[in-house]
Amino acid sequence: GQQVMQIPQYQHVQEGEDFTTYCNSSTTLSNIQWYKQRPGGHPVFLIQLVKSGEVKKQKRLTFQFGEAKKNSSLHITATQTTDVGTYFCAEENSHFQGAQKLVFGQGTRLTINP
Amino acid sequence: DAGITQSPRHKVTETGTPVTLRCHQTENHRYMYWYRQDPGHGLRLIHYSYGVKDTDKGEVSDGYSVSRSKTEDFLLTLESATSSQTSVYFCAIRGGGVTQYFGPGTRLTVL
Repeated sequence: GQQVMQIPQYQHVQEGEDFTTYCNSSTTLSNIQWYKQRPGGHPVFLIQLVKSGEVKKQKRLTFQFGEAKKNSSLHITATQTTDVGTYFCAEENSHFQGAQKLVFGQGTRLTINP
Repeated sequence: DAGITQSPRHKVTETGTPVTLRCHQTENHRYMYWYRQDPGHGLRLIHYSYGVKDTDKGEVSDGYSVSRSKTEDFLLTLESATSSQTSVYFCAIRGGGVTQYFGPGTRLTVL
């Protein structure tokens, strides 16, 4: 089945450093979503990318969708302790009866040294 | 958060016993999902529902069944729990757009 590979699995940074996580697929993606999960919490939707080469920003977060729609990245500039958590990408596997079926990457766990 | 509750929040059970997890939503959304989360695997879809009494399998449905007799409730049943089903289970709903909203999760331990 479809899979998105997400790297790295873990990342530890000093507060103020930048952070990037990558998602890669062997097949063309229709779209990709990003979620954040705080420790002990539940996943929270961040954004969806749909168009080839799309770039979206949310304050210090920059999301990119590759030109070939086979990869995506999330970049955080100048990390803060509030950025701690696990970041997941998710691709839409199918749309049966309008039900959006998501396949998640393994996640990148970000820890920050204050 | 999108009016989703899950019960119980924590459960410890023994191998071979049946277990039912409940997801309840208050906002009348059509689509509901059950995921499990395990280290190194992210979230994996177990079953989903696209309406009352309309359900379908996800990628890891073996050993699980679901029911949805009312819009607001989506039940996940482990007929005979096994240690491999120890996990954190999340329910999610999908609103009018593309966003899935997740419940707080149920931590299940099967001894």
